[in-house]
Amino acid sequence: EAQVTQNPRYLITVTGKKLTVTCSQNMNHEYMSWYRQDPGLGLRQIYYSMNVEVTDKGDVPEGYKVSRKEKRNFPLILESPSPNQTSLYFCASRRTGMSGTEAFFGQGTRLTVV
Amino acid sequence: TQLLEQSPQFLSIQEGENLTVYCNSSSVFSSLQWYRQEPGEGPVLLVTVVTGGEVKKLKRLTFQFGDARKDSSLHITAAQPGDTGLYLCAGESYGGSQGNLIFGKGTKLSVKP
Repeated sequence: EAQVTQNPRYLITVTGKKLTVTCSQNMNHEYMSWYRQDPGLGLRQIYYSMNVEVTDKGDVPEGYKVSRKEKRNFPLILESPSPNQTSLYFCASRRTGMSGTEAFFGQGTRLTVV
Repeated sequence: TQLLEQSPQFLSIQEGENLTVYCNSSSVFSSLQWYRQEPGEGPVLLVTVVTGGEVKKLKRLTFQFGDARKDSSLHITAAQPGDTGLYLCAGESYGGSQGNLIFGKGTKLSVKP
């Protein structure tokens, strides 16, 4: 089954404690991205990657890092989480063809930073 | 900055009613997509429209892409409680270097039995 898998689904952590949210896709998509979703603000792109070893900042990259060492994996790293990073996070991979683009989303990671 | 405005933000209706959700922008898009998101889950693609003026139907859902490729609408006929969710439109822009898929903030639909 084609899917994007994120882990963990839920995470409560303390300010300053480094954490990583993993993301893996099995569709061989070149493009992957991370979003955060907050009430009233919608989905905002944090970082994206157009291929292995190619990453770039989205709209809200401050406080986040990513890496793309393999095509299937795109982890999101918070080196020193702060309460304003409490949010719902989604990883997505993307397929583009003649019929346009289709984004496939993971199930989300609800992060709380206290 | 490209923006996609969705309206209404919230919609609460009774089962069996019809509704239309709008997605508007001043920018031209090469394609536009509609996603539905249920609580606690990621968005799931419903449809992609590519050609200006295009109309696509998915059972009781009708999607239209504006002639100028700047706007779109989603019409649901005889809404059911299972249609409840957050509806997101997303526009794919031409070229650009920043991932070029822009999301609206969504329309939260609640269909009461």
